[in-house]
Amino acid sequence: GQNIDQPTEMTATEGAIVQINCTYQTSGFNGLFWYQQHAGEAPTFLSYNVLDGLEEKGRFSSFLSRSKGYSYLLLKELQMKDSAPYLCAVSDSNYQLIWGAGTKLIIKP
Amino acid sequence: GAVVSQHPSRVICKSGTSVKIECRSLDFQATTMFWYRQFPKQSLMLMATSNEGSKATYEQGVEKDKFLINHASLTLSTLTVTSAHPEDSSFYICSAKKGTGDTGELFFGEGSRLTVL
Repeated sequence: GQNIDQPTEMTATEGAIVQINCTYQTSGFNGLFWYQQHAGEAPTFLSYNVLDGLEEKGRFSSFLSRSKGYSYLLLKELQMKDSAPYLCAVSDSNYQLIWGAGTKLIIKP
Repeated sequence: GAVVSQHPSRVICKSGTSVKIECRSLDFQATTMFWYRQFPKQSLMLMATSNEGSKATYEQGVEKDKFLINHASLTLSTLTVTSAHPEDSSFYICSAKKGTGDTGELFFGEGSRLTVL
């Protein structure tokens, strides 16, 4: 079956760094997405990885290892506004999105 | 977690025809469902909010006569793309809200890829 795993909840301190992991098992792979979702809003696209390696975009970086079925989202210099659920989603061989359950990130002062 | 299913997952149609996409919440009732469109490597664009038993609320710039939304039951919402054109080719995703109010959790469907020839 197809499966995306990410931690349910994580807590970090303002100004610090946090890494949210995502492991996946899917039929085929056409890329992995990270989204941030604030309540009542559509998810905001953060990153897209299709090749192995690290993609850096400001305070957010995303890493992918296809051989390990593993990705992480790294958030630096955490701000209180970064408190939100973070969704990992994989595009499978049919370009269908398989969603993780989301990681609720809580930032404390 | 809850399950939201979309059908069909892929559809190819001719220009000028209409296509219906279904979104079902399989193990919970959803008073509210959302329809999104995704462009490559971009955020999901919210198209409309679908409320069971009432008319959908469309986002600015989305043609309600072109994208017909029906939420006839607590487990089913449909999006019909009428008189489809090649520029309507996209990935359409639905989500269903489990629970009520702002605390309701959203669960997403697998998406439906529409290709208009």
